[in-house]
Amino acid sequence: DIQMTQSPSSLSASVGDRVTITCRASQSINYYLNWYQQKPGKAPKLLIYAASSLQSGVPSRFSGSGSGTDFTLTISSLQPEDFATYYCQQSYSNPSITFGQGTRLEI
Amino acid sequence: EVQLVESGGGLVKPGGSLRLSCAASGFTFSTYSMNWVRQAPGKGLEWVSSISSNSNYIYYADSVKGRFTVSRDNAKNSLYLQMNSLRAEDTAVYYCARDLSTRGMTYDFDYWGQGTLVFVSS
Repeated sequence: DIQMTQSPSSLSASVGDRVTITCRASQSINYYLNWYQQKPGKAPKLLIYAASSLQSGVPSRFSGSGSGTDFTLTISSLQPEDFATYYCQQSYSNPSITFGQGTRLEI
Repeated sequence: EVQLVESGGGLVKPGGSLRLSCAASGFTFSTYSMNWVRQAPGKGLEWVSSISSNSNYIYYADSVKGRFTVSRDNAKNSLYLQMNSLRAEDTAVYYCARDLSTRGMTYDFDYWGQGTLVFVSS
């Protein structure tokens, strides 16, 4: 299975900050990388698919980049509702898809 | 509005069985691949199973292969997960999730249900 490693595992930031979360794949996954946001007690929400495509309805302060093995999720200006856990997921090695361990973004 | 509503979770003893259901509405269910993803308490996300729109393609994670069976009824807009020989490590919230595209199985999950908790304990 392809291993997905996120860094950092947790992150403290303030409203208005620019934040970057990194996801590294154990082998090349081309651009088959998605990002999800999950708030406590809620289902995950798709933010970015195919590494850099913004899902419909997601604010433009979220952006994704990367290809191959290294990817980033950037939030340009943190809003109060952005404090959550973020997961990356590879869909290259289907059906054996895998998620990163998550990055908890705290105030 | 797209809605996915899971049901069927609960407390079950090790070795027991449970059948989860996911009722879909607000979209043409028969044209989308569907998926099950689980999350153990306090842990990350784990893909469990996927089924194509016409049930021709079905896949399982190694951790559940041979014990879980996914199925769907397009006439009833419903997805199912039959779970047998349950183990303590199957304890998790189980989510059904829709594929982003109708063009085959993409494994990009754009809509998720609220989840149903399965607790395996004696």
